[in-house]
Amino acid sequence: DAGITQSPRHKVTETGTPVTLRCHQTENHRYMYWYRQDPGHGLRLIHYSYGVKDTDKGEVSDGYSVSRSKTEDFLLTLESATSSQTSVYFCAISESTANEKLFFGSGTQLSVL
Amino acid sequence: DQQVKQNSPSLSVQEGRISILNCDYTNSMFDYFLWYKKYPAEGPTFLISISSIKDKNEDGRFTVFLNKSAKHLSLHIVPSQPGDSAVYFCAATFQGAQKLVFGQGTRLTINP
Repeated sequence: DAGITQSPRHKVTETGTPVTLRCHQTENHRYMYWYRQDPGHGLRLIHYSYGVKDTDKGEVSDGYSVSRSKTEDFLLTLESATSSQTSVYFCAISESTANEKLFFGSGTQLSVL
Repeated sequence: DQQVKQNSPSLSVQEGRISILNCDYTNSMFDYFLWYKKYPAEGPTFLISISSIKDKNEDGRFTVFLNKSAKHLSLHIVPSQPGDSAVYFCAATFQGAQKLVFGQGTRLTINP
């Protein structure tokens, strides 16, 4: 299994609070991604990174920010959580371009009340 | 705008029979397609892929077919086994895209 750790695995928070999810990899892969999974929508890309300090937006980036200060860590921040951000969040990594298969973490279940 | 669509949210198949999962796409730039499998409380895992220069790719019990003119791909599982019960996502990308676009997923249930 690819070395990807997501933390926390579960989190319950209140509307309006900031939340940070962490993704840590031990594979030294260049590309890292944050997806959210919602019923009827599948997996949607939030943000991705193609190197340290190099990030770009995905299709559902509003309300989210990311940072990547080291190769191994990719942080996803919800500046002010809303109920619509209740979801399962997955981190993924890839060694080169997306034509290579992605390796996913086990996910973070986030509930915003 | 859903560029990759899996129009069947669920599929139920008897053990030993063939499972066929379908996926349609709209972006003609897509040239590489992948299937991922997801069990509950786990992340998706890569299953099989196909490049647009091929129309078929096999890996054991799993075969993916690509019909470029129809912008359609399908995943065949033969014979289906109880362990195949999972959610299956198709995904698409193109050279230099740096990201995948996923479909909504199809929940496959294999009945004994």
